[in-house]
Amino acid sequence: EAGVAQSPRYKIIEKRQSVAFWCNPISGHATLYWYQQILGQGPKLLIQFQNNGVVDDSQLPKDRFSAERLKGVDSTLKIQPAKLEDSAVYLCASSPIGNRQETQYFGPGTRLLVL
Amino acid sequence: AQSVAQPEDQVNVAEGNPLTVKCTYSVSGNPYLFWYVQYPNRGLQFLLKYITGDNLVKGSYGFEAEFNKSQTSFHLKKPSALVSDSALYFCAVRDTGGSYIPTFGRGTSLIVHP
Repeated sequence: EAGVAQSPRYKIIEKRQSVAFWCNPISGHATLYWYQQILGQGPKLLIQFQNNGVVDDSQLPKDRFSAERLKGVDSTLKIQPAKLEDSAVYLCASSPIGNRQETQYFGPGTRLLVL
Repeated sequence: AQSVAQPEDQVNVAEGNPLTVKCTYSVSGNPYLFWYVQYPNRGLQFLLKYITGDNLVKGSYGFEAEFNKSQTSFHLKKPSALVSDSALYFCAVRDTGGSYIPTFGRGTSLIVHP
């Protein structure tokens, strides 16, 4: 079974530029998560999708971050404009149904450096 | 608000010795507790979880964890450490009620010396 795919793996941009990350979850998984992992910290949930609907985006900085999962499969996370403090690893995860007991399956992450 | 604490940034252990990585939590309801491991430049991999039932949970690669409700702890253990166990370990909690958001600890770096 193929795992969660993410691209690109690395991205370097200058502040105020825009960037987008892509995630393709495990086939058949209804739930998709985007996390931000700042160096030295644990992953912090940004947004959770159930199929193509948003379950929780309370920790997403909506003035600059946006995410979509239009067809309920793959997803894109965008930052516009980027700030220095957005430098982090962005992790995508998926799970079959989305209940609180489920294991999450993580992709390899996208490492973003904002200069 | 729910929270997870991993009080040790780093744990050092000799190969063959037992290891413990500590985790304590706070939730408003009852907890679902998870341990994940992260190798360099890789995503998180699931190790084990406590949902209900037996307080001792066995997981992948010989790891186990004990749920202690009175101490609100879920420490990760392994009887005999391997050099290949060296990685970053994260504890996570989800509340059975309250917030839907999973909360992760800041991680503990485990270093196993040959």
